[in-house]
Amino acid sequence: SQQGEEDPQALSIQEGENATMNCSYKTSINNLQWYRQNSGRGLVHLILIRSNEREKHSGRLRVTLDTSKKSSSLLITASRAADTASYFCATDRNSGNTPLVFGKGTRLSVIA
Amino acid sequence: DTGVSQDPRHKITKRGQNVTFRCDPISEHNRLYWYRQTLGQGPEFLTYFQNEAQLEKSRLLSDRFSAERPKGSFSTLEIQRTEQGDSAMYLCASRTDGGRSYGYTFGSGTRLTVV
Repeated sequence: SQQGEEDPQALSIQEGENATMNCSYKTSINNLQWYRQNSGRGLVHLILIRSNEREKHSGRLRVTLDTSKKSSSLLITASRAADTASYFCATDRNSGNTPLVFGKGTRLSVIA
Repeated sequence: DTGVSQDPRHKITKRGQNVTFRCDPISEHNRLYWYRQTLGQGPEFLTYFQNEAQLEKSRLLSDRFSAERPKGSFSTLEIQRTEQGDSAMYLCASRTDGGRSYGYTFGSGTRLTVV
């Protein structure tokens, strides 16, 4: 089963614009992670935010977490064509002692 | 170590045949995970190991599926009597135990096509 649900399912933007993807989940978590997947490849870990954190930054990435709403958002600023990929949120319920549960992903297309 | 390696990258097999996939994790990672991903979906958990011990198996893992990690290093995933519904990307991931980083390192996957 998949706990996370990303929204939107697909997003198309122009290069230079910001891209925002949202993730909702169902049960309590210890941390939430975002991954990126280029077509036909494995996933790459982008960023982790713990349940006691509200916002985190890494380069052009900004992640927020609202545990009261069981939701997270991933913002990619100043997007580039190379950011074209699928983005997945994944929830960790027990500090790594249970496997990550992934959402269905958002397919981002950045048009040059 | 350059990352998690999976072999083969692609496998086409006839329905009813057995297939085996291999995953070589990052050497210092003692946790190893198998996921399955179909088109347009996120990865779905199959099973995971801590060293050589298989700690959890998903209900998705029918009795036709078996996974091993005999010496706590590489792992194999075998599917017996393959069915068309087994067609998917099979992803392996690893991570170290403990510490504060819970992020997974994924391999590039094995794409299975059952014809």
